[in-house]
Amino acid sequence: AQSVTQLDSQVPVFEEAPVELRCNYSSSVSVYLFWYVQYPNQGLQLLLKYLSGSTLVKGINGFEAEFNKSQTSFHLRKPSVHISDTAEYFCAVSEARDDKIIFGKGTRLHILP
Amino acid sequence: GAVVSQHPSWVICKSGTSVKIECRSLDFQATTMFWYRQFPKQSLMLMATSNEGSKATYEQGVEKDKFLINHASLTLSTLTVTSAHPEDSSFYICSAGGLRGYTFGSGTRLTVV
Repeated sequence: AQSVTQLDSQVPVFEEAPVELRCNYSSSVSVYLFWYVQYPNQGLQLLLKYLSGSTLVKGINGFEAEFNKSQTSFHLRKPSVHISDTAEYFCAVSEARDDKIIFGKGTRLHILP
Repeated sequence: GAVVSQHPSWVICKSGTSVKIECRSLDFQATTMFWYRQFPKQSLMLMATSNEGSKATYEQGVEKDKFLINHASLTLSTLTVTSAHPEDSSFYICSAGGLRGYTFGSGTRLTVV
C-alpha cells in the first residue's frame, strides 16, 4: 500500500525568503502525486499535481514541485513566500490502479515578518 | 472548473442523535466520491469510498454501521453519523473527480455535545 511522509511538521520562514516543504512517498506501483493547501477552517485546495511527463510541475500561487523517482520524493518549493502563504500543506499520493488519495500528516508553514 | 458543494459547513448536535452531511458535485457527474475525517491539527484520514449505486467501501477500522454512506445519484453522496458521541466530533471532508483533478468540498465541522 502507498504511504506518504512529510518530514517536517512545521516550517518557519521569513517573508520573501524561499521555502521547500519535503515529501517522500512509498508505493509498489507507479504513482500520481499531489500537493494541497488548507487554510484555517477551510477545505482543501489543489496546488499542483504530477500525473506523468515533465518531472517539474508548476502550480498556483507561484509554487512548484519536482518529482524524483529515484529518491521517491516530491518536494514543494516557492522562491519567495508571502504572509498569505501561511497555511497547512499536505502532500498526497494515489496509485494508478486506485483512485483513493492517501495524505501525509501535513506541514504547517509559518511566515515570519 | 469542477465544484463540490458540502453541507452543512458546521453542525452541533446532542449525543445520541444522528447527523447527515451532503456532498454534491455541481457541474459534473461523480461515480466515485471519497469521505475523509480530520482531527484537529492532524491529517486527513480516508474513511470510505462511495460508489454510485452500490455499497461503500470502508477503510479498515471505520465502523460502517456508524458512518452510513449513500450514493444514490451521480451528483450526491451523503454521510450519516448515527448515534453520534463526543469522540465523533471532527472535520469531515468529501471529494470527487478522479485523477483529472480531485475537488474537495469545504468540509463540515461536527461538534457533538
